[in-house]
Amino acid sequence: SQQGEEDPQALSIQEGENATMNCSYKTSINNLQWYRQNSGRGLVHLILIRSNEREKHSGRLRVTLDTSKKSSSLLITASRAADTASYFCATGTGNTPLVFGKGTRLSVIA
Amino acid sequence: DTEVTQTPKHLVMGMTNKKSLKCEQHMGHRAMYWYKQKAKKPPELMFVYSYEKLSINESVPSRFSPECPNSSLLNLHLHALQPEDSALYLCASSHQGQGNYGYTFGSGTRLTVV
Repeated sequence: SQQGEEDPQALSIQEGENATMNCSYKTSINNLQWYRQNSGRGLVHLILIRSNEREKHSGRLRVTLDTSKKSSSLLITASRAADTASYFCATGTGNTPLVFGKGTRLSVIA
Repeated sequence: DTEVTQTPKHLVMGMTNKKSLKCEQHMGHRAMYWYKQKAKKPPELMFVYSYEKLSINESVPSRFSPECPNSSLLNLHLHALQPEDSALYLCASSHQGQGNYGYTFGSGTRLTVV
């Protein structure tokens, strides 16, 4: 069963704008991960944030984690057309495999 | 080598056929996974192998049969599939199981059952 729930389901922005996606989950976690999937391809691991971390950066990506609210956000700054993809959050509990959320479909218009 | 390689990339099979999907990694990862993904849906876990032993079977029908010949290879044997089994099948690996590490995914096999 899916634990993560992304919001919004779909997002369309202009190139150069920032894109923010949110993920909410239900149970205690060990870590939360974000993945990108281009159409019909495999998932690419973007970033992992552990439950004792609040914020993490990787290039144009910024991830926050609020364990009290059981939520995370992924911010992509200065978006590019190549960022067009589906983005999934996945939660790890430490004793079960990752569970993926339903995903956010991001369209970046040039 | 930081990749997971899946073959074939595309497969069309009849409902009476037997075929196999293959997955290979040389990163020394000890956990390997099969996921099924339908269009516009998240990946759904099918099987987990940990240290070459099947550790999780998510109540997958027996027409799907996984096999882990060694620590680098993972196969998914297909037999008597149904049209609703058409999907993208993804293989992934991680340092160890239990969701403590990031997963490396292959590019998938697009399966069509006719």
